[in-house]
Amino acid sequence: AQTVTQSQPEMSVQEAETVTLSCTYDTSENNYYLFWYKQPPSRQMILVIRQEAYKQQNATENRFSVNFQKAAKSFSLKISDSQLGDTAMYFCAFMKRNTGNQFYFGTGTSLTVIP
Amino acid sequence: NAGVTQTPKFQVLKTGQSMTLQCAQDMNHEYMSWYRQDPGMGLRLIHYSVGAGITDQGEVPNGYNVSRSTTEDFPLRLLSAAPSQTSVYFCASSRTARFEKLFFGSGTQLSVL
Repeated sequence: AQTVTQSQPEMSVQEAETVTLSCTYDTSENNYYLFWYKQPPSRQMILVIRQEAYKQQNATENRFSVNFQKAAKSFSLKISDSQLGDTAMYFCAFMKRNTGNQFYFGTGTSLTVIP
Repeated sequence: NAGVTQTPKFQVLKTGQSMTLQCAQDMNHEYMSWYRQDPGMGLRLIHYSVGAGITDQGEVPNGYNVSRSTTEDFPLRLLSAAPSQTSVYFCASSRTARFEKLFFGSGTQLSVL
């Protein structure tokens, strides 16, 4: 079975600063995908960024970037220039390739951006 | 674009009652799925479907039934509600069952008393 661990239940950051959310995972698979999803108070799940395990280059999406360490099974999310709208729960997720979109989610990190 | 629509948004049931959570998507997606979200546990997959007429169990299927008679609809049935089923339920879909972005509905908050 796959497990995804987010060891930081809550974090806070000052507006305009940078924050890093941690995620580790356990799998025996070699082909897989990793994701970060954002869940604001509206409850809507929003895809932030995704990484394909066979790609060595770290994914970036505007202010969001990841540090993917495959050997260490680590997948952290860095948010630069934090904005008030970044306040949300952030979930790390793992998906085995070729398994019909069966996602395994971490328990989430609640991020608060302080004005 | 409506995307993924879930109804109702909130529901309170008594133990033993049955109900159906509705999920519809208008994007012609092959793949649809149901997750439950509990405090401190993230999202867990209940059931999924890779196309009309095909369903399969996820991580936590007990107490839930699904069917997929059309591409658009994927209802989740609770046959005899239990307090342990108090949760937020999310429906999600993607274009195919392969590596695709998941589109989520806005969730259903269910309380079983």
